[in-house]
Parts: sequence; C-alpha cells; structure tokens
Amino acid sequence: GAGVSQSPSNKVTEKGKDVELRCDPISGHTALYWYRQSLGQGLEFLIYFQGNSAPDKSGLPSDRFSAERTGGSVSTLTIQRTQQEDSAVYLCASSLATGSGSVAAFFGQGTRLTVV
Amino acid sequence: DAKTTQPNSMESNEEEPVHLPCNHSTISGTDYIHWYRQLPSQGPEYVIHGLTSNVNNRMASLAIAEDRKSSTLILHRATLRDAAVYYCILRDVGGTPLVFGKGTRLSVIA
Repeated sequence: GAGVSQSPSNKVTEKGKDVELRCDPISGHTALYWYRQSLGQGLEFLIYFQGNSAPDKSGLPSDRFSAERTGGSVSTLTIQRTQQEDSAVYLCASSLATGSGSVAAFFGQGTRLTVV
Repeated sequence: DAKTTQPNSMESNEEEPVHLPCNHSTISGTDYIHWYRQLPSQGPEYVIHGLTSNVNNRMASLAIAEDRKSSTLILHRATLRDAAVYYCILRDVGGTPLVFGKGTRLSVIA
C-alpha cells in the first residue's frame, strides 16, 4: 500500500504475556519511528531506526521493550511480560532521511494494545 | 528540536477561518516549522511545513513571521472534520524523531 501499515489494529493480551507489533513503512523511507500514546496523553517517543545505523533506543521505558528492523524495511516492536501500564496505542511512522528538516513523517493508524 | 508554545485549546465556528498560533522564539536558522494534526482515534497526519516563506497547500496555509519566532496555521474554512489536536514542531534534520508537545485542541462548532 501507499501508506504506513500497522498490524494488528487491536490486540488484547493477558498480563505477563509477550506481544509483537508490526510496522510496514512506506517503500523507500529509511527512517522509522515508534511512539506510544496512552489514553488522553501525548505521543511518547520510543525508538528510532535510520538506515544501517544503530537504533536510538533512548525512549524505551524498560528492558521489556525491544524492536528490530529487518532488511531496512519491516519493523517489529516486542513487549515482554506485558503489564497493565503498557496498555496504549502504539504508533509507527516513517520518513525519508535527509540533511535538512524539510521532510514529513507519515504515521500508521496504530495498534491499540490492551493488557488485562 | 527547539521548543514550541501553543494554546491548549481553541474553538471555532464551522465554515469560519481558524488561526492557530505557535511561538518558537529559540528557533535556529536551519529549523523547519512543521504542523501535524491528530484526529480522534487516528494517528498523526502531516499538514504543512515551511522555512521562511508562507506556504499554501490543499489542507491549510502557513504564515511565518519575518523574524521566524512565531507562525500561524490557517484553516480557511473550518469543518467539523477539522476538529483535532494540532501540533507545531520544529525540525532541523530529516529523519530524526519528531518531538510532540501537547498541541492545541481545536473544537469546531456547527
């Protein structure tokens, strides 16, 4: 498709289970980002991939969170031993990466994660 | 990214113009001014961006002050579908993460 695709759109999981969230960025976009948005809150940056560089993991809230990006395209965000406070909408975005700020980022519709 | 300041909320009547302000007094010479919006239950959506000159696209116009310390997003005729949270963000290098503040929640009244 033409846009950023995320799956699943909704996920309900039991506390303590692991979950995987998937993001398919726009073709040709070398930068990929994950954000989290808890109910009624703002967007919280989690992790950022740029080409073959080491990812910027500075926003990951704990070591239960990890992400990878295979082949410079699809990314998977994994949350181990989920907790109720992990319940949120997880948003993925992608963009071109240039030396100027003149590039837009495009977001997927998000995965709504509910931990029960 | 440098900090921006926006009003928490604004209200507009349907079919009237809306001017959403943003202050960015610490903007650097290479920062682009970006606007995104987030409709209810959706991911953020790119609206417009500019550097120094005013910009127009099918969604909105962006008016940038001569000293670049402030900007205004203009929706020419607000519709109920424009009700959203609007974020003003400065970006100096493409590919680095966007830093979202609290934005302005726009309500549109029929």
